[in-house]
Amino acid sequence: NAGVMQNPRHLVRRRGQEARLRCSPMKGHSHVYWYRQLPEEGLKFMVYLQKENIIDESGMPKERFSAEFPKEGPSILRIQQVVRGDSAAYFCASSPRRETTEAFFGQGTRLTVV
Amino acid sequence: AQTVTQSQPEMSVQEAETVTLSCTYDTSENNYYLFWYKQPPSRQMILVIRQEAYKQQNATENRFSVNFQKAAKSFSLKISDSQLGDTAMYFCAFMKNFGNEKLTFGTGTRLTIIP
Repeated sequence: NAGVMQNPRHLVRRRGQEARLRCSPMKGHSHVYWYRQLPEEGLKFMVYLQKENIIDESGMPKERFSAEFPKEGPSILRIQQVVRGDSAAYFCASSPRRETTEAFFGQGTRLTVV
Repeated sequence: AQTVTQSQPEMSVQEAETVTLSCTYDTSENNYYLFWYKQPPSRQMILVIRQEAYKQQNATENRFSVNFQKAAKSFSLKISDSQLGDTAMYFCAFMKNFGNEKLTFGTGTRLTIIP
C-alpha cells in the first residue's frame, strides 16, 4: 500500500509563473490537508479538502492560491503568479475518515521561486 | 486560536543518553490531542507519539515517552537510549477535537545525536 505521493519533489519557477503541486492520498483516503513549511519554521495549515469539497480553507492566502480534490485524480495546490515569498516546502497529508486523528504525510514538494 | 511553543531551537546529546524536548501550548479546549512528529533530513514527517488529553496516563512508544501536564499545558518528549537515527527536527503539534481537524505545529527543535 503506497504512502502519500507528492510530485514533483522539487519545483523551480520564475517569478510570475504558475506552480502546480500534486498529491495522491493513500488508497482509501478521502481527506486531504495541505501545509506549508517556510525555512526554519514549523508547518502551517493551509486547506482541508474532501473529494470535490473544500472543508476548511482558513489558512489559504486570499489571492493567487487555490486547491482542489476532484472525484478522480490527485489533489492539486495551484499557486498563480508566484513570488519569492512562496518559496517553501509544501506538504500534503491524508486520512481515511472523519472520526480519526491519523494523518499520513507525503515527503513534500520544495518550491523555489527564482 | 491554539498556539504551540517549542522554546529549544537546537539540542544535542551523546549517543545512548536521554534527552527531553519541551513543548507548551495554549488552548481553551478541554478535549484535544497532542503529537510529536519527527522530520529527518529526508523531510518525511513521521508520527512519533500521540496523547489524548482526556487520558491521564502518559503515552509511551518504545524509547519515546511523554510527560503530559494538562493543568500546566505542557507536553514534553523524552527519548531514552538515544540513537544516531534520532537526529532530526522534532515538532510538537496540537489537534482540536476528534474528527479530521487540522494540526497546529510548533517551530521545532533540531536534535543532534553525537556519536
